[in-house]
Parts: sequence; structure tokens; C-alpha cells
Amino acid sequence: KQEVTQIPAALSVPEGENLVLNCSFTDSAIYNLQWFRQDPGKGLTSLLLIQSSQREQTSGRLNASLDKSSGRSTLYIAASQPGDSATYLCAVRGRSGSEKLVFGKGTKLTVNP
Amino acid sequence: ETGVTQTPRHLVMGMTNKKSLKCEQHLGHNAMYWYKQSAKKPLELMFVYSLEERVENNSVPSRFSPECPNSSHLFLHLHTLQPEDSALYLCASSQDWTERGNTIYFGEGSWLTVV
Repeated sequence: KQEVTQIPAALSVPEGENLVLNCSFTDSAIYNLQWFRQDPGKGLTSLLLIQSSQREQTSGRLNASLDKSSGRSTLYIAASQPGDSATYLCAVRGRSGSEKLVFGKGTKLTVNP
Repeated sequence: ETGVTQTPRHLVMGMTNKKSLKCEQHLGHNAMYWYKQSAKKPLELMFVYSLEERVENNSVPSRFSPECPNSSHLFLHLHTLQPEDSALYLCASSQDWTERGNTIYFGEGSWLTVV
């Protein structure tokens, strides 16, 4: 059974700092991995989708990497801003069986002005 | 107008009540989903509908009853819930359930409190 772990559970940084959020998964047989952002009391917004054949994806100040063999992904946020404060969730989609996404519990990020 | 709209945003109901959550997607997608998000737990997939047919039911108690009258509307009917069912219920959609590369789009959720 696929399990997704995100460490740390919470992170507080000063504005302007570069930071890395971590995601690990137990079954490397994945189809893709997706990073989402969730603002308090709101739904999820997709940030980056990495297919299993890809190593990384970039969007603006965000860069996500995937190392499928080690079961790890990182989300790099450059020059963090207070508006980046949110919970970041990682989810993987399996290659076999059901199509469902398996989510981690998320990392709650606070960027202090 | 956002892509996936959920109503109501907040709902308080007693354990003997019957209520429904509504979801509407304006993206022309064929697949719709219900997820449950409880405090300190990962998102849990509840139901998947593809072209109005239920394709997955993740061992959800029968007090939760989904309905998909057409590809752009999804309901979650609630009956005799328990306090532990209090959570954020998220609706989502994607272009095609069988195309695993599709991005999934979420609504803003319905906060449910069972008293």
C-alpha cells in the first residue's frame, strides 16, 4: 500500500529565504507526482505535475524534482514571500491498480515579513 | 466563475438530519470526485464518477450517498452522520478518469460540522 510522507509538518521562515519541502513515497512504481497548495479553509490548487519519466518541473519561483528510484520529491521555493504561506501537499498516482491519488499530510509553510 | 464550485461552503447538521452537498464543474471534464479532509489526516478519496457512472467507492459508509445526474454535477447526500464525520469535503474534477496524466482541479470545499 502506497504511503506518502511529508517532512517537516510545519516550517516557518523569514521572507526572502529559499526553502525546500520534502515528500517521500514507499512504492516507486508511480505514474506521476503532483504538488498542490492549500490556503486555510480552501480547496487545493495544483502547482506542478511531474510524470514518472521526468526529473523536474519548473513554474516561476517553484521547482519540483522527482527521484523515483529513491521514492523522493522536493519542492524548491525561491525567494519566499508572505503570500507563499499555505499548506503544501504532495500526491502520487500509482502505475497499477486504482487511479487514485495518494496524498501526504502536507507541510504548513509560514513566511514571515 | 471558478472551475469547480461547491455549495454550501459551511454546513452544521444534527445526527438525525438529512442534507446534501453540491458540486458543479464548468471545465467540461468527464470525471468527478469526492474527497474527505479531516484534521491531521491525509486527503481520503471517497467516490469517483466517470461519465456519470460510479467507478470507485472507497469503502465509504452508506450514510454517505453520492449522486451524479450529469457530467457537470455531483452531489453527496448525508444522512444520520456521526460527529467524527465532521470534516472538509472537497469535490474535484479531471478531464478523463482513465488518463492518469491529467491535472485534477479542486473546489473550495464544504465545511461540515455534525453536532
